[in-house]
Amino acid sequence: QSALTQPRSVSGSPGQSVTVSCTGTSSDVGGYNYVSWYQQYPGKAPKLMIYDVTKRPSGVPDRFSGSKSGNTASLTISGLQAEDEADYHCCSYAGNYAWVFGGGTKLIVL
Amino acid sequence: QVTLKESGPALVKPTQTLTLTCTFSGFSLSTPAMRVSWIRQPPGKALEWLARIDWDDDKFYNTSLKTRLTISKDTSKNQVVLTMTNMDPVDTATYYCARVSGVEFDYWGQGALVTVSS
Repeated sequence: QSALTQPRSVSGSPGQSVTVSCTGTSSDVGGYNYVSWYQQYPGKAPKLMIYDVTKRPSGVPDRFSGSKSGNTASLTISGLQAEDEADYHCCSYAGNYAWVFGGGTKLIVL
Repeated sequence: QVTLKESGPALVKPTQTLTLTCTFSGFSLSTPAMRVSWIRQPPGKALEWLARIDWDDDKFYNTSLKTRLTISKDTSKNQVVLTMTNMDPVDTATYYCARVSGVEFDYWGQGALVTVSS
């Protein structure tokens, strides 16, 4: 499986909205509603932020939302805060009990 | 409270076998629908899913690494073990274990950095 494609970095000012894209194929992102997103601070473990494309685990602010169109999934963060500066990784189920991750996107809060 | 922690050698030599242990609490791998996966992240690179073991001892592997990986569990000790044979410098990475809930990884360990070097 090839890694999903994410932009290397995105940026936004506090209070703005930013969107991180994650592009795969019909064999992964486009084929299943099983896209998840993880937030990772430097040197720390990833944290689940979105699962099943749009669902938020308990405790994750509703500023974080997910969507999907065709082979591209998106994570949108609204009302950007300084603490949101981190790396964001997408992940998709790829069938046959396999998962594929994106390369990660660094979110910079200006 | 669910926690997971990886342990194992920080340094292995090329061609050696790596053995990593994931010790967890807050859930049991004897409970139906419980699953644990291993995932790695080379420095500055993407996460890569490696393997998964289920409560019923079903096992699944990354097809690219399948011949080198073995995953097992010790339910009585709340541990999952991953072995990877024939280690190479490209296998240098932080190795994470994570609980699988549905199709996502809902709790992760802190990670264990493994460097492959002679």
